[in-house]
Amino acid sequence: DGGITQSPKYLFRKEGQNVTLSCEQNLNHDAMYWYRQDPGQGLRLIYYSQIVNDFQKGDIAEGYSVSREKKESFPLTVTSAQKNPTAFYLCASSIGSGKAPLHFGNGTRLTVT
Amino acid sequence: QKEVEQNSGPLSVPEGAIASLNCTYSDRGSQSFFWYRQYSGKSPELIMSIYSNGDKEDGRFTAQLNKASQYVSLLIRDSQPSDSATYLCAVIPGVRGNKLVFGAGTILRVKS
Repeated sequence: DGGITQSPKYLFRKEGQNVTLSCEQNLNHDAMYWYRQDPGQGLRLIYYSQIVNDFQKGDIAEGYSVSREKKESFPLTVTSAQKNPTAFYLCASSIGSGKAPLHFGNGTRLTVT
Repeated sequence: QKEVEQNSGPLSVPEGAIASLNCTYSDRGSQSFFWYRQYSGKSPELIMSIYSNGDKEDGRFTAQLNKASQYVSLLIRDSQPSDSATYLCAVIPGVRGNKLVFGAGTILRVKS
């Protein structure tokens, strides 16, 4: 079955450590996205990529980095520069037509203490 | 002004009633509109997409779009307890291509 796989489901890290969240899709979608969700704030866009080897900052990119070396993969690194990293992180993909909806992975809940 | 606004709720309706969820958006050039349902602790799942003024029906769900007034709504007929969730309105603003902007969501509670 086609879909988006995020791993791990839960992640715990100490403050000051970088952490990488995995996102893999087998939908053959061109566009991939990372969103962050905090209680009561909806989803906020961190980074997005419309083609391999290219990506753009979203609304809250500070403290995060991404790569898009393969069409199927779009990992997100939460760096120690991110001041408040504890959140629910959602990866999504779309065919990238400009009208297409997003399809989401199951999310990674990151807790930094 | 937020790009996409929703009443946070909670909206409480009795089982079998019609639930009406509303969303307004600020970019008049927006062309694509979506409703997602999100259960607690889960990821959003797409319920409806709508691109033209008017109504679009899919089973118990009806999406309504009024571009002149810049609002989009979702009606859920014969509401069930399993419909209890947060409903997210999402819009692709006209000048930003295919980046979805989400509202904060409306919590719906259906009481049996």
